[in-house]
Amino acid sequence: DVKVTQSSRYLVKRTGEKVFLECVQDMDHENMFWYRQDPGLGLRLIYFSYDVKMKEKGDIPEGYSVSREKKERFSLILESASTNQTSMYLCASSLSPELEGEQYFGPGTRLTVT
Amino acid sequence: KNEVEQSPQNLTAQEGEFITINCSYSVGISALHWLQQHPGGGIVSLFMLSSGKKKHGRLIATINIQEKHSSLHITASHPRDSAVYICAVINAGGTSYGKLTFGQGTILTVHP
Repeated sequence: DVKVTQSSRYLVKRTGEKVFLECVQDMDHENMFWYRQDPGLGLRLIYFSYDVKMKEKGDIPEGYSVSREKKERFSLILESASTNQTSMYLCASSLSPELEGEQYFGPGTRLTVT
Repeated sequence: KNEVEQSPQNLTAQEGEFITINCSYSVGISALHWLQQHPGGGIVSLFMLSSGKKKHGRLIATINIQEKHSSLHITASHPRDSAVYICAVINAGGTSYGKLTFGQGTILTVHP
């Protein structure tokens, strides 16, 4: 079974803190994604990576950065957390679309910024 | 207007009923996903399809590329089917790397 794990299920941080969310997949997938999910807005893409050290902005990258130093690990960084970044964060991974790239999701991290 | 629209937003059914959730999209796509999210957050991919129809157990997904429309059907619904069902598309053209654009989701509640 493909497994995508995220470092925390629940996280509470203070405004201004630097926050790291980690995602690890064990299926040698090229593509990894970070989404946030908010009521009424659905899932939105923050950043994605298609290879080690390669990254692309998604639809809502402002206030976030990412790091992919190893193929299996994709980190989302909130440089200075703000209350409007309180959300559910979901990581996903997939093979290339040409190879029927079904996406596999992690369990999510519910982040609260106070 | 969102690129991916789902209907209905909320759906309540009695156990055993046949359920249909619809998804319309306004862009050219290379594939469409149906996802399921249970309370607690975990998302599971149900289907990925680019044409025709797929079936898995009591779940059936169809897509009409010309009409830019897909449906998810659940036969003989059960309370454990209660979840949020999300339609998502991979845009055609260029190199998408499998990026998904999501619908708002349909909240399904099946009562015993």
